[in-house]
Amino acid sequence: DIQMTQSPSSLSASVGDRVTITCRASQDIRYFLAWFQHKPGTPPKALVYAAANLQSGVPSRFSASGTGTDFTLTISGLQPEDLATYYCQQYNSFPLAFGGGTKVEI
Amino acid sequence: EVHLVESGGGLIVPGGSLRLSCETSGFIFSIYAMSWVRQAPGKGLEWVSTICGRGGCTYVADSLRGRFTISRDNSKNTIYLQMNSLRADDTAVYHCVYTTTVTIGGNRYFGMDVWGQGTSVFVSS
Repeated sequence: DIQMTQSPSSLSASVGDRVTITCRASQDIRYFLAWFQHKPGTPPKALVYAAANLQSGVPSRFSASGTGTDFTLTISGLQPEDLATYYCQQYNSFPLAFGGGTKVEI
Repeated sequence: EVHLVESGGGLIVPGGSLRLSCETSGFIFSIYAMSWVRQAPGKGLEWVSTICGRGGCTYVADSLRGRFTISRDNSKNTIYLQMNSLRADDTAVYHCVYTTTVTIGGNRYFGMDVWGQGTSVFVSS
């Protein structure tokens, strides 16, 4: 089974900062990686599919990259509404797997 | 617009059974895969199960196989999760998730997209 490891598990940043979250897969998942944003009291929201493609409506301050085993999600110009936990998830093969999450605090 | 509404959660004693439902609207239900993902209190997201459009294939997390079964009724635009022999560590919010399928080189890849609000399951005596 593929294991997904995110770092850091939490971070604190200021409005306007550039924030980077990393995600590592235990084996090659090519580009079959998604990122989700989960705010308290709401369902998770899909941000990125296929490693680098923003879902419709996602602000352009979000960007993502990577292939193979190493991936990043970057928020350029952190906003108060970005307070959330972010998860990566591989869909290269079953069982599908999420990273442990990165809690972003403002 | 994709709309998902889960139901069927509640308080259940260990060893009991529950069937969760997810009613959908806003898309051609029969051709899309659907998934269940859960989140235990204070924990991260955990994939539970996925069913292909038209129900031609199902996948279940190894740790849940034999106790959890996913199914769908395309006439009702609804998916289900039958959960048996429930344990305390099954306590979680269960979300259904609209799932897109990409076929590349004869292989199918399932990307999760829109999530429902979730239904809470609490297993306790």
